[in-house]
Amino acid sequence: EPEVTQTPSHQVTQMGQEVILRCVPISNHLYFYWYRQILGQKVEFLVSFYNNEISEKSEIFDDQFSVERPDGSNFTLKIRSTKLEDSAMYFCASSAGSDRTDTQYFGPGTRLTVL
Amino acid sequence: AQSVAQPEDQVNVAEGNPLTVKCTYSVSGNPYLFWYVQYPNRGLQFLLKYITGDNLVKGSYGFEAEFNKSQTSFHLKKPSALVSDSALYFCAVRAYSGAGSYQLTFGKGTKLSVRP
Repeated sequence: EPEVTQTPSHQVTQMGQEVILRCVPISNHLYFYWYRQILGQKVEFLVSFYNNEISEKSEIFDDQFSVERPDGSNFTLKIRSTKLEDSAMYFCASSAGSDRTDTQYFGPGTRLTVL
Repeated sequence: AQSVAQPEDQVNVAEGNPLTVKCTYSVSGNPYLFWYVQYPNRGLQFLLKYITGDNLVKGSYGFEAEFNKSQTSFHLKKPSALVSDSALYFCAVRAYSGAGSYQLTFGKGTKLSVRP
């Protein structure tokens, strides 16, 4: 069964450093998403992406964040200058369509620790 | 704005007994409801969804969920729990926003523990 993969599984970085989290969505999916989950809190939407453009973003997704599909398979989330409060589990997801009924399939997550 | 509530942080049940994990939602418009499960060190795995039609939805691993519009609930159920069902369960909702709302809104999760 096809699945979303994410690398690395755990990333430790110093405050102020740039990090790039990588995701490989399911191959025939066209819509991509990033979510995050701060320890003990809800899973929160960050951004959705389609046709090389951001479709929608939350208030959390400020200028420090960016997303990119650098090639035909990868989908990345970049945090330019990490802060302590960026420490969280980051989940990538993909879906075949954009309808509200379409299922989003999630990767295993990258745990980001900012020191 | 849409929201999801999972009133129980933890549900404990004995193996072989029925289980219920509760979820209530608040949306304007028609709700599209999802259940996901998260095993330790794994991502969110899709279990089932309600779009329209029959209020009882069947999903993976023997789970089902009952949609109740009047009570704005979407409780997850299983007739006979297994120890391997022990995990974190998330309810989520998507609702029509008019502007194109793609994201899911999640509840805080309920930890299910099934004892042998």
